[in-house]
Amino acid sequence: AQTVTQSQPEMSVQEAETVTLSCTYDTSESDYYLFWYKQPPSRQMILVIRQEAYKQQNATENRFSVNFQKAAKSFSLKISDSQLGDAAMYFCAYRSAPDDKIIFGKGTRLHILP
Amino acid sequence: GAVVSQHPSWVICKSGTSVKIECRSLDFQATTMFWYRQFPKQSLMLMATSNEGSKATYEQGVEKDKFLINHASLTLSTLTVTSAHPEDSSFYICSASGSVWGRAFDTQYFGPGTRLTVL
Repeated sequence: AQTVTQSQPEMSVQEAETVTLSCTYDTSESDYYLFWYKQPPSRQMILVIRQEAYKQQNATENRFSVNFQKAAKSFSLKISDSQLGDAAMYFCAYRSAPDDKIIFGKGTRLHILP
Repeated sequence: GAVVSQHPSWVICKSGTSVKIECRSLDFQATTMFWYRQFPKQSLMLMATSNEGSKATYEQGVEKDKFLINHASLTLSTLTVTSAHPEDSSFYICSASGSVWGRAFDTQYFGPGTRLTVL
């Protein structure tokens, strides 16, 4: 069975600085998707960034980028120029290509220090 | 695009009553909808998966008779918590996957959630 592990329950970063959230996963499949979701205090789940496993190029969305290491089964999220609005719970998630189900990690709570 | 709404956003009910939560896809056809439960400071726990027009598939440990799921159309799924008790108090989130203009989504889009408090 696939698993997603986020080893950092909480992290803090100074405003305008860069922070990296870690995620590892375990799968025997070759075709899958990886995601980072953000859940702010409103509790609305927001898709931050997605990565298709067959793509070698790391995905980037404005200040958010990932470091996808397929062989190491690692999928970290880098947030550059951290802003107060980035404070939230961040969930790393995995989806097998033929399946609609998403498996979530336990989350990392990110605090932004002014 | 890909907006999912949930209603109500917050509900309080007495123990023993039933509560219905609606989940709607507003601008796409949701072939599959998912229901999650989230306890405070924890991750999302998948309860069940429903496909339009067919019975829901429940995850292990989820009581199908307590959590009734109906997915009657491509835009609406409902979760009914029957004979609710205080231990059912939680945050319930729905999500949907599907397609727009014939293109399938590669992820799920989430509703804003419903906070259920059972007294």
